[in-house]
Amino acid sequence: TQLLEQSPQFLSIQEGENLTVYCNSSSVFSSLQWYRQEPGEGPVLLVTVVTGGEVKKLKRLTFQFGDARKDSSLHITAAQTGDTGLYLCAGVNNFNKFYFGSGTKLNVKP
Amino acid sequence: NAGVMQNPRHLVRRRGQEARLRCSPVKGHSHVYWYRQLPEEGLKFMVYLQKENIIDESGMPKERFSAEFPKEGPSILRIQQVVRGDSAAYFCASSPPPYRDDGLDGYTFGSGTRLTVV
Repeated sequence: TQLLEQSPQFLSIQEGENLTVYCNSSSVFSSLQWYRQEPGEGPVLLVTVVTGGEVKKLKRLTFQFGDARKDSSLHITAAQTGDTGLYLCAGVNNFNKFYFGSGTKLNVKP
Repeated sequence: NAGVMQNPRHLVRRRGQEARLRCSPVKGHSHVYWYRQLPEEGLKFMVYLQKENIIDESGMPKERFSAEFPKEGPSILRIQQVVRGDSAAYFCASSPPPYRDDGLDGYTFGSGTRLTVV
């Protein structure tokens, strides 16, 4: 059972464009994390959001946790080629168990 | 390098052999998690361990797979009698105790072991 659905699965855009990646679930999580993974490497943690409605900004990246703590979005402004990678969301339950989405593969073209 | 160290990076085994994957957590981290990833997919949880304890092994196949995190030394994921379907990237992550304020933010992944069964 895939608890977390990410969309889109693939995204190819030009440098300078904006994009939003979505992570949706019917389950409530105590917190949610976003990771970026490059080929041949492990995922790198970008952010943890804990409170419903929380918004966190990391330079050109904006993360939002849904009010009901079931969904999240990642918005990238003015994408750069260095943003290319696989973006994974992970929901964490009260028993510290992580559920990963299937990922959004982003390609930013120069 | 203070990160999670996994070795080997690449492992090739023939069907029926044993595979042993090692994970040394970040210094001071007492919790280790193992995940499996197939190409173009997300990570599937396998097992969550604390020193000398298995906290949650609900993602581990019941047969051929085992994991340990001894008092001294790295965590080991062991796959006996490997089959072609075991080919995947296996990632280890470590964290401080989750009840600490930095528990989740300290969650760190290793670079993985890519297992190929021929």
